[in-house]
Amino acid sequence: GENVEQHPSTLSVQEGDSAVIKCTYSDSASNYFPWYKQELGKGPQLIIDIRSNVGEKKDQRIAVTLNKTAKHFSLHITETQPEDSAVYFCAATAPHTGGFKTIFGAGTRLFVKA
Amino acid sequence: DGGITQSPKYLFRKEGQNVTLSCEQNLNHDAMYWYRQDPGQGLRLIYYSQIVNDFQKGDIAEGYSVSREKKESFPLTVTSAQKNPTAFYLCASSEGRGPGEQYFGPGTRLTVT
Repeated sequence: GENVEQHPSTLSVQEGDSAVIKCTYSDSASNYFPWYKQELGKGPQLIIDIRSNVGEKKDQRIAVTLNKTAKHFSLHITETQPEDSAVYFCAATAPHTGGFKTIFGAGTRLFVKA
Repeated sequence: DGGITQSPKYLFRKEGQNVTLSCEQNLNHDAMYWYRQDPGQGLRLIYYSQIVNDFQKGDIAEGYSVSREKKESFPLTVTSAQKNPTAFYLCASSEGRGPGEQYFGPGTRLTVT
């Protein structure tokens, strides 16, 4: 079946450094790629997203890049802060029976050390 | 305040009992979703509904059932047929007019012993 692979599963960085999380997807019909941040005991929240007609998008310290040919997309967090510590999920959305279907990666647990 | 609510936050049941998890949204969203989250894994889709009175199976629908009688509500029943029901369950909604952001509830942690 269709899947999304996410790496690394755990990432530890020093405060102020950059963090990069990478994902690959298998369904070439995917056209929407959101990134979610999940804090302990809570539901995920969208932090940035990108659509298939765009190669890069930036929002302050967060940026996402998309390579449709290679089916890769990545999340970049610059100047990391302790409050960035959380689990991050990438996802890919494609048309499906009755609407759209989103497949999530397994998640990356990010630790930012002060 | 607009949002999506799930209740209860923690739920305990004995094996062999059916249990229903509540999900309500006041965002006027057409689409609603149920996901299951296990430790170290991503979110896996159980069921989704793009419109009232219609829903589709996700990747792991076996042992679960849903209904969508009202736009605001999408309850999930975990039946005794679900072999490993202990998990964190997340409900989400989206506008539904194309792929876009999903708004998640706070989740329900179900423990079955």
